[in-house]
Amino acid sequence: AQSVTQPDIHITVSEGASLELRCNYSYGATPYLFWYVQSPGQGLQLLLKYFSGDTLVQGIKGFEAEFKRSQSSFNLRKPSVHWSDAAEYFCAVASNSGYSTLTFGKGTMLLVSP
Amino acid sequence: ETGVTQSPTHLIKTRGQQVTLRCSSQSGHNTVSWYQQALGQGPQFIFQYYREEENGRGNFPPRFSGLQFPNYSSELNVNALELDDSALYLCASSYGGQPQHFGDGTRLSIL
Repeated sequence: AQSVTQPDIHITVSEGASLELRCNYSYGATPYLFWYVQSPGQGLQLLLKYFSGDTLVQGIKGFEAEFKRSQSSFNLRKPSVHWSDAAEYFCAVASNSGYSTLTFGKGTMLLVSP
Repeated sequence: ETGVTQSPTHLIKTRGQQVTLRCSSQSGHNTVSWYQQALGQGPQFIFQYYREEENGRGNFPPRFSGLQFPNYSSELNVNALELDDSALYLCASSYGGQPQHFGDGTRLSIL
C-alpha cells in the first residue's frame, strides 16, 4: 500500500528566508507525486506535480520540488518565503494522475514570522 | 472556466441523522472523488465515480454512499451519522490524465 510521511508537523520560517518541506513516500512502482496547499477554511490548491522526466519540477507561486528516487523523497522548496505563504502543505502520491486515488500525508503547517 | 463547487459550506447534524453533500465538477471533468479530512489530518479517500459508476472505494463503511449524475455532478450521502463523521468533506474532479482539482469543501459538524 502506498503511504506518505511528512515528518514536520509545524515549521516556522522568517519572511524572506528559504523554505524546505520534507516528504517521503512509499510506493512500489513509479509514483505520481503532488504538493497541495490549503489555506484556512479553503480547499486544496495544486502547487506542482511530478509524473516523469526532469526530477526538478517548477510550480506556481515560486515553489519547486525535487524527486529523489533513491531517497523516496519529494521535498518542496522556495528560495524566499512571503507572509502570504503561511498555510498547510500536503504531499500526496498516486498510482496515476487523474483516475487513481490520492494518498496524502498529514500535512505541515507553515508559519511565517516577520 | 468554473471550478469545483460544493454545497452547503457548513452543516450541523445530530447523531443518527442522514446527510447529503453536493459537488459540481469543473467543466469538462468526468471523474469525481470524495475525501474526508478530519481536524489536523490529511484528506482520506472515500470513493471515486467515473461516468456515473463507482470506480474505487477507500476504507469507509457502507453507510457512506454516493452518486454521479449524467452532468458529472455528484452527491455524497452518509447515513446514521456518528460523532467521528465530523470533518471537512472535499470533492475533487479530474479528466483524463490531469491532476485532481478540489472544491472548498463542506464542513460537517455532528452534535
